[in-house]
Amino acid sequence: GAGVSQTPSNKVTEKGKYVELRCDPISGHTALYWYRQSLGQGPEFLIYFQGTGAADDSGLPNDRFFAVRPEGSVSTLKIQRTERGDSAVYLCASSLSPAAGANVLTFGAGSRLTVL
Amino acid sequence: AQTVTQSQPEMSVQEAETVTLSCTYDTSESNYYLFWYKQPPSRQMILVIRQEAYKQQNATENRFSVNFQKAAKSFSLKISDSQLGDTAMYFCAFMNPQGAQKLVFGQGTRLTINP
Repeated sequence: GAGVSQTPSNKVTEKGKYVELRCDPISGHTALYWYRQSLGQGPEFLIYFQGTGAADDSGLPNDRFFAVRPEGSVSTLKIQRTERGDSAVYLCASSLSPAAGANVLTFGAGSRLTVL
Repeated sequence: AQTVTQSQPEMSVQEAETVTLSCTYDTSESNYYLFWYKQPPSRQMILVIRQEAYKQQNATENRFSVNFQKAAKSFSLKISDSQLGDTAMYFCAFMNPQGAQKLVFGQGTRLTINP
């Protein structure tokens, strides 16, 4: 597609429920990133995919968070047993493969998750 | 670990004025990249300008320019002839070009341009 698409735009769930957030990157972009932006803060890195594999998942806060990218395109961020502290905007970004030089990321509009 | 600090939570100027947003960072790396991103209410992060640390010349993009002081680890953004559409959150970010090339963001500055 022309840009990075994220669905749903907004998600309200109850504490303890399971949620999935989807990211559809720009066609041809092999690198995909997930960031979490809490209210009033800058985005924080969660996980990076190069192709189908998670090359860096050092930002995932705990084992309730998991992400997949089975075909190297669309990615899904999965959160189990949601807690109120998981409420945030989840941003996805994609780029061409990080090679020599800076990697310019294109961001989606994010999915706002609210856990009641 | 790298850190990025934006000391101005909010700023407000009149349309057509010039405004400067501050950013400092901490790193032991010698080669890196710095960015300014704009985030309007639509939530989408938009790249404003990028600076490569090994380049001494300050980056410029139309009305946007930076003052990069490598020794002081300072990276401020100047917006000239500000427009109503510049109203947004602005984030400074650091990137190590090795590995995952993940961005480290500051806390943001909320900029309001008044008519």
